[in-house]
Amino acid sequence: DAGVIQSPRHEVTEMGQEVTLRCKPISGHNSLFWYRQTMMRGLELLIYFNNNVPIDDSGMPEDRFSAKMPNASFSTLKIQPSEPRDSAVYFCASSFGPDIQYFGAGTRLSVL
Amino acid sequence: QKEVEQNSGPLSVPEGAIASLNCTYSDRVSQSFFWYRQYSGKSPELIMSIYSNGDKEDGRFTAQLNKASQYVSLLIRDSQPSDSATYLCAVNTNSGNTPLVFGKGTRLSVIA
Repeated sequence: DAGVIQSPRHEVTEMGQEVTLRCKPISGHNSLFWYRQTMMRGLELLIYFNNNVPIDDSGMPEDRFSAKMPNASFSTLKIQPSEPRDSAVYFCASSFGPDIQYFGAGTRLSVL
Repeated sequence: QKEVEQNSGPLSVPEGAIASLNCTYSDRVSQSFFWYRQYSGKSPELIMSIYSNGDKEDGRFTAQLNKASQYVSLLIRDSQPSDSATYLCAVNTNSGNTPLVFGKGTRLSVIA
């Protein structure tokens, strides 16, 4: 298996622009997680899905953030409009049930 | 609020020494415990999991769990410069489909 696949690997955008991050989980996994990592705050859980259904989005910082999982093999995290304080590394992870999570390579987002 | 606490470090050890990384957690019903290693600029990767009290050994790595004290540790024997990374402790209650709770990580530096 190719593991969790995220795209793009790097994204540079200007404040106010829409940003869409993409994730393909490991085939057969039924849980998907979106994290944000910064030096100051560490790894923060933004939202997670079980069987394509959003379970807990309490970590989503603001209404500017939204996430979807239209099917078992694809998820998006969208930021609209983006702000400089959104600059971070965004990780997607997947698991089978409430156990070991496998992480994608991450998307490094820079909002200028 | 479920919390996982780690000393942020940096923890510096000489090559060949034993590195000891510690983690405490707040939720007494936690059932699964994981150690992830994260190299700078990379994503977290699982190196150890432990579910029962006691020690679990895998090569140069030993995970130790004490549920009564709500304490989990990772020992790295014969530390190598390639072990220099941030080590993240993660905990799961296995209650329903709740996600892992991560600590902020301990940065380990192995000096040649």
